[in-house]
Amino acid sequence: QLRLQESGPGLVQPSETLSLTCAVSGYSIDSGYYWGWVRQPPGKGLEWIGTIHHSGNTYFNPSLQSRVTISLDTSKNQFSLTLTSVTAADTAMYYCARDPGAPGPYYFHLWGQGILVTVSS
Amino acid sequence: DIQMTQSPSSLSASVGDRVTITCQASQDINDYLNWYQQRPGKAPKLLIYDASNVETGVPSRFSGGGSGTDFTFTISSLQPEDIATYYCQHYNNLLLTFGGGTKVEIK
Repeated sequence: QLRLQESGPGLVQPSETLSLTCAVSGYSIDSGYYWGWVRQPPGKGLEWIGTIHHSGNTYFNPSLQSRVTISLDTSKNQFSLTLTSVTAADTAMYYCARDPGAPGPYYFHLWGQGILVTVSS
Repeated sequence: DIQMTQSPSSLSASVGDRVTITCQASQDINDYLNWYQQRPGKAPKLLIYDASNVETGVPSRFSGGGSGTDFTFTISSLQPEDIATYYCQHYNNLLLTFGGGTKVEIK
């Protein structure tokens, strides 16, 4: 059964880099699909961060593009999110998810449980 | 950029009521519109894709419609387990955009 599981530090210092990993079980990420990240600040709505295709092509939210990197690690069957120069505004629940592709980003039909990341000194 | 406006931002209805949420795009988006349910403390769940297609396993009381700029999401008979926030989401030009959400409560 397909499962996505986020991991990473729950607390990040302001101006530092946030790094999260999404471990995928039950499917080989280099076999297909798109893999993405969505975040949700406490009490607020959903914000798409970016998506990576199994080929390595990436797509980003223009508002975050300058600070975001998404990459695949097929040897570990996981994909990662890096967000640089974080501020308190980056405090959020971060979700990883799978996207069947339109092609291109389409919708997320399988989600991880999410990980709360707080930016604070 | 295309803006997605959901309304209302919240609503309260009785069990068994018909509930309708709207999502309006700032320009024509064809049928490139999806709907999610997010129960409190849980990850979002896809309900509807391409405006009107119901995801496998989703109860038949959930439906979607519309095209162009105006879209609707309907719960035909509200159930207690439908308490959640519902989001529309547009896809196009290699971008994804979520609406602001509609919180549905039981009266």
